[in-house]
Amino acid sequence: AIRLTQSPSSFSASTGDRVTITCRASLDISTYLAWYQQEPGKAPKLLIYTASTLQSGVPSRFSGSGSGTDFTLTISRLQSEDFATYYCQQFYTYPHTFGQGTKVEMK
Amino acid sequence: QITLKESGPTLVKPTQPLTLTCTFSGFSLSAKGVGVGWIRQPPGKALEWLGLIFWDDDTRYSPSLSNRLTITKDTSKNQVVLTMTDLGPVDTATYYCAHTFPHFYFFDSWGQGTLVTVSS
Repeated sequence: AIRLTQSPSSFSASTGDRVTITCRASLDISTYLAWYQQEPGKAPKLLIYTASTLQSGVPSRFSGSGSGTDFTLTISRLQSEDFATYYCQQFYTYPHTFGQGTKVEMK
Repeated sequence: QITLKESGPTLVKPTQPLTLTCTFSGFSLSAKGVGVGWIRQPPGKALEWLGLIFWDDDTRYSPSLSNRLTITKDTSKNQVVLTMTDLGPVDTATYYCAHTFPHFYFFDSWGQGTLVTVSS
């Protein structure tokens, strides 16, 4: 199975900060990567797919980039509702594995 | 609008089987390219991909669970059923079903999830 490693596992930030989360795949997955946001006690929500396509309704402060094995999720100006856990998922080959998550906490 | 909702037991005894039902609306699981998947999340831990069922009844399972997991669908009832055998404490988790983006099969709509606890 393809392994996805997210970094960092958690960190603290302030509203207005620019935030970057990294996801590294153990094999080349082209751009078959999605990002999800999960607020505490809630189901995950799709943010970005095919590495850089913003899901309808998702604020433009979220962006994704990368291809091959290295990907990033960027939040340009962190808002209070963005404090959550973020997961990457590859859909290049089965099983469609998830990363271990990155928790963004309020500083 | 696509909606999904999981239902089933909240408590299961060790070694017993688990059956969860995902009831959905807003799409047809007989339409080409459509799929429904299952994902679980142990308390405080990461998401784990379990498997998918496609519009044509094809299925894909996580290799670590493939000998215990079955996913079926009833298109007429707009339901997908997950069956997992021989449960243990490590199977305690919130179980989600989700609709897949056509032909790519990542998850674009999720159910609210249901917590299943495995305990005697």
